[in-house]
Amino acid sequence: DQQVKQNSPSLSVQEGRISILNCDYTNSMFDYFLWYKKYPAEGPTFLISISSIKDKNEDGRFTVFLNKSAKHLSLHIVPSQPGDSAVYFCAASGGFLVDSNYQLIWGAGTKLIIKP
Amino acid sequence: KAGVTQTPRYLIKTRGQQVTLSCSPISGHRSVSWYQQTPGQGLQFLFEYFSETQRNKGNFPGRFSGRQFSNSRSEMNVSTLELGDSALYLCASSPRQFNTEAFFGQGTRLTVV
Repeated sequence: DQQVKQNSPSLSVQEGRISILNCDYTNSMFDYFLWYKKYPAEGPTFLISISSIKDKNEDGRFTVFLNKSAKHLSLHIVPSQPGDSAVYFCAASGGFLVDSNYQLIWGAGTKLIIKP
Repeated sequence: KAGVTQTPRYLIKTRGQQVTLSCSPISGHRSVSWYQQTPGQGLQFLFEYFSETQRNKGNFPGRFSGRQFSNSRSEMNVSTLELGDSALYLCASSPRQFNTEAFFGQGTRLTVV
């Protein structure tokens, strides 16, 4: 049973437009969420995070939104650039409120393709 | 500052064999975590080592084991390989335990035939 779900295996977006990547989770104990980006032949790299006390976190072109009641988060990339083409992983953790339960639970990833 | 180094990058093994993968974390990082990535399954947490002790373990059979040395380098061992063990194995290092913003290596691609 997957606790973190990324239901879109791939997403294609025109350069300059907004990319929206979605992630749903089932465990209400999760209190910290991260997005990682992965290029082929490289390990994932940290992109942006959000804790459950917030509903939005912004870093340049990247914004993550958290809807706790819906157990849903999304990553917005505006404007999308060709270099954004990669696999994006959503991950969740219960590490900050639940003692020693920091383990990251990962989604299956969404492949984002930015078309020129 | 050198990143996380995993060796070897690629490996082909036969069913029933065993394999050892190596990970050298970023200098000064004391936590090393191991993940298995398979298509459609995302990253599955294997275990985390901190100061030579296994601190956290995922839901993998006992065939998967690991250790960490005093210099924080870590090895992961898989015994009695099965075809389903074919995957990308990623190592991530962090400066402290339970740090979720980890730095990943490029991974070791293991193929079991």
